[in-house]
Amino acid sequence: NAGVTQTPKFQVLKTGQSMTLQCAQDMNHNSMYWYRQDPGMGLRLIYYSASEGTTDKGEVPNGYNVSRLNKREFSLRLESAAPSQTSVYFCASSGREGRMSYEQYFGPGTRLTVT
Amino acid sequence: AQSVTQPDIHITVSEGASLELRCNYSYGATPYLFWYVQSPGQGLQLLLKYFSGDTLVQGIKGFEAEFKRSQSSFNLRKPSVHWSDAAEYFCAVGPNNNNDMRFGAGTRLTVKP
Repeated sequence: NAGVTQTPKFQVLKTGQSMTLQCAQDMNHNSMYWYRQDPGMGLRLIYYSASEGTTDKGEVPNGYNVSRLNKREFSLRLESAAPSQTSVYFCASSGREGRMSYEQYFGPGTRLTVT
Repeated sequence: AQSVTQPDIHITVSEGASLELRCNYSYGATPYLFWYVQSPGQGLQLLLKYFSGDTLVQGIKGFEAEFKRSQSSFNLRKPSVHWSDAAEYFCAVGPNNNNDMRFGAGTRLTVKP
C-alpha cells in the first residue's frame, strides 16, 4: 500500500515549456486534489476532483489544467510554464465524495523550478 | 470567506519544554479542523482532527489540540518536545465553498538541544 505517489520528484523547466505532473493513489479514494506550496503562504488549492469524471477549479487555477484519468490517477498539466509557477506541488486524496469531510492524504511532492 | 491564521511564523523551544502552536480560524458554520506536520522535503502528515464532540482531541506523536469555539481557536500542544518534532506545522479548516480545505501559512518549529 503506497498511499499517494507523485512523479517526478524534481523538475526544472524553461519558460514556455510544458509538462505533466502525475499522481496516483491506491486507497480507493473518490476525491483528489492538487495544491501548490509557496513560502509563507501555506498550501493553496489549484484543482480538485470530487469523483471520477469531474474536476473543479480551486483557489489558484490559472495556468494549469487537470485530468482525472480514472479513480486512481489525477494529473496536473502546465501548458506554458512561467517563473511564477516555481513551487512545490502536492497531490492529495480523501475518502469522501463531494464534501471534504475526511482528512486528506498527501503525496511526497514535486519540486518544480521554472527558469 | 473561510480562513486560517497561524500568528507565529517561527517558534524555538528547548528539548523537553512544552509547546503550544496557535491557530485561529474564520468559518461560518461548525468547522472541521486539522493539524498537519511536514518534515523537511516530505509531504504532509495528519497529526489530529476535530469534527465534533469532545473539544480536546488527541493525536499521534503525543500531540493534542483543543477546539475553543468562543475564541475561534484550535491550538496544538505537546507537554514535552523532542528533537524529532522539529518541522513545519499547518493548521487547516474545511470544507469551504470549493469543497477544499484552507491552510494556514504554517509555523516552523525549531528544537534546541
